[in-house]
Amino acid sequence: GNSVTQMEGPVTLSEEAFLTINCTYTATGYPSLFWYVQYPGEGLQLLLKATKADDKGSNKGFEATYRKETTSFHLEKGSVQVSDSAVYFCALITGAQKLVFGQGTRLTINP
Amino acid sequence: DAGVTQSPTHLIKTRGQQVTLRCSPKSGHDTVSWYQQALGQGPQFIFQYYEEEERQRGNFPDRFSGHQFPNYSSELNVNALLLGDSALYLCASTLTQMGGRASETQYFGPGTRLLVL
Repeated sequence: GNSVTQMEGPVTLSEEAFLTINCTYTATGYPSLFWYVQYPGEGLQLLLKATKADDKGSNKGFEATYRKETTSFHLEKGSVQVSDSAVYFCALITGAQKLVFGQGTRLTINP
Repeated sequence: DAGVTQSPTHLIKTRGQQVTLRCSPKSGHDTVSWYQQALGQGPQFIFQYYEEEERQRGNFPDRFSGHQFPNYSSELNVNALLLGDSALYLCASTLTQMGGRASETQYFGPGTRLLVL
């Protein structure tokens, strides 16, 4: 079946550090890939998405590239801020139209 | 533009009771999905409703049931509550396009946090 694996957290960085959160997937067919972010006490917000191989999704300084050859969709940001502290979820969707999520990575940014 | 809304925000029940959670989709959306997010885990798909019918279902027992109303709002019902049903329940909405395929981008509400004692 379809699945998503994220790097285990928690991840703690200093402000302005470079961020990478790894995500790999297993899927039948050609999934679309997503990163969602969950701030404390809130629901999920779509951060970015990519729908086909080599697409790059970007938003708010975050980027992720759909790599079919390595079945990966790693999240990156060049300079993180305290306000980026949250839980980040990698997810995929296929023709079945249901999102399959990874377990989440908690990110804490210290000033 | 109203986003996805859910009620109540928090709920406490005891084992064996029944609970109903409510969701109003984002304006213009007609498809509602429900997810269960246990503490420290990613959300798990429960089911999806479109045209007032359950279109897909995840690996959840029959104690979990739902309904969609003509105005596209939805309810999630859980019977015979277990301690393990304690979780954040998320509703997500999207639009089903011509041809019957739902848009891939789903918009989530803030969730209902259920605690079963």
